[in-house]
Amino acid sequence: GIQVEQSPPDLILQEGANSTLRCNFSDSVNNLQWFHQNPWGQLINLFYIPSGTKQNGRLSATTVATERYSLLYISSSQTTDSGVYFCAAYFFQGAQKLVFGQGTRLTINP
Amino acid sequence: DTGVSQNPRHKITKRGQNVTFRCDPISEHNRLYWYRQTLGQGPEFLTYFQNEAQLEKSRLLSDRFSAERPKGSFSTLEIQRTEQGDSAMYLCASSLVQGGTEAFFGQGTRLTVV
Repeated sequence: GIQVEQSPPDLILQEGANSTLRCNFSDSVNNLQWFHQNPWGQLINLFYIPSGTKQNGRLSATTVATERYSLLYISSSQTTDSGVYFCAAYFFQGAQKLVFGQGTRLTINP
Repeated sequence: DTGVSQNPRHKITKRGQNVTFRCDPISEHNRLYWYRQTLGQGPEFLTYFQNEAQLEKSRLLSDRFSAERPKGSFSTLEIQRTEQGDSAMYLCASSLVQGGTEAFFGQGTRLTVV
């Protein structure tokens, strides 16, 4: 069935380290988004990236649609980067909705 | 435009009571989605509207749940006879009508059933 899998489930790093979060999806997608969930529960849009590479400050993302994965990179991590990161995809096959992964909980220690 | 707005932000209710949540989407967005998120899980799809038409409902949406979008603008999600298992964060999102366009989420409504 349609699935989105994220790894690792938990990641603990020291401030200043770089991190890579991975998202695998089970079928062809026409949209992929990365979100950061803030402590109050709101999903903050990071990237809309069905294919290719995008950068926004210390964050960048790459989606390789033909190989069905996406990566989120965070460089020079700060404590404010802590939280849960979700990827979500619209699949060509199936209903018109975002399907979410289970998230990666990132903890940046000072 | 200030983005997707949800009210209330928090709701505590006694088991068996009815509750209603409201979502105001981004004004030019035709699609509106409802999701539910429980602790430690990713958001799960409940239902979506294109304009005023409800086009899909998840099997998660039991008979106690009903959603409306009467004029194609704001939407309401009602839960009747609440149960403790309904305690969750309820998230609303909106996007343009074309499938696969970027979706934006509101702040969510956190429901606690006691």
